[in-house]
Amino acid sequence: GENVEQHPSTLSVQEGDSAVIKCTYSDSASNYFPWYKQELGKRPQLIIDIRSNVGEKKDQRIAVTLNKTAKHFSLHITETQPEDSAVYFCAASDNYGQNFVFGPGTRLSVLP
Amino acid sequence: GAGVSQSPSNKVTEKGKDVELRCDPISGHTALYWYRQSLGQGLEFLIYFQGNSAPDKSGLPSDRFSAERTGGSVSTLTIQRTQQEDSAVYLCASSLVGPSYEQYFGPGTRLTVT
Repeated sequence: GENVEQHPSTLSVQEGDSAVIKCTYSDSASNYFPWYKQELGKRPQLIIDIRSNVGEKKDQRIAVTLNKTAKHFSLHITETQPEDSAVYFCAASDNYGQNFVFGPGTRLSVLP
Repeated sequence: GAGVSQSPSNKVTEKGKDVELRCDPISGHTALYWYRQSLGQGLEFLIYFQGNSAPDKSGLPSDRFSAERTGGSVSTLTIQRTQQEDSAVYLCASSLVGPSYEQYFGPGTRLTVT
């Protein structure tokens, strides 16, 4: 089955700096890669996703890149703000969402 | 519209008792997932329902755990003979199956086994 690894497990950055979180997956059949943000005490929410036919996707300060050959994808947050502090989960899934596996999470702290 | 709802929000039970957790997905969402999240940990997949297909139970940790989804809508997760290690937040999520696969999570049920 699919296995998703995520690094780093914790990340601290200064406000205004960039943050990068990296994930690797094992199943070449996976072709949908979402990122979820979970603020303290709240439910996870989708922030961005990418499909295997796209190498990069950007939404304001957030971007995701995908390298299918190497089976890794990354989340990039630019100009970080205190409200970006949260736990971020990557995930990998096939087209039907059945084999949906989350990474272990990265706790991001943006320091003022 | 209404999001995913779960009940109860909190449940405290004694070791050995059975518990039932309920999830009401977003109307029209054919996919439904259950996850378990221990304090400060990741999302542990438990079970997946999609339409009328047989559920994917590969994540259930033991035969004390079971789940059903009636009429393709409401789902119930049942834990029999609860143990202290079952204490966690149980999250339910629902989604469409194409073109978007975004999972919408419920607020979770915090289960404490004493």
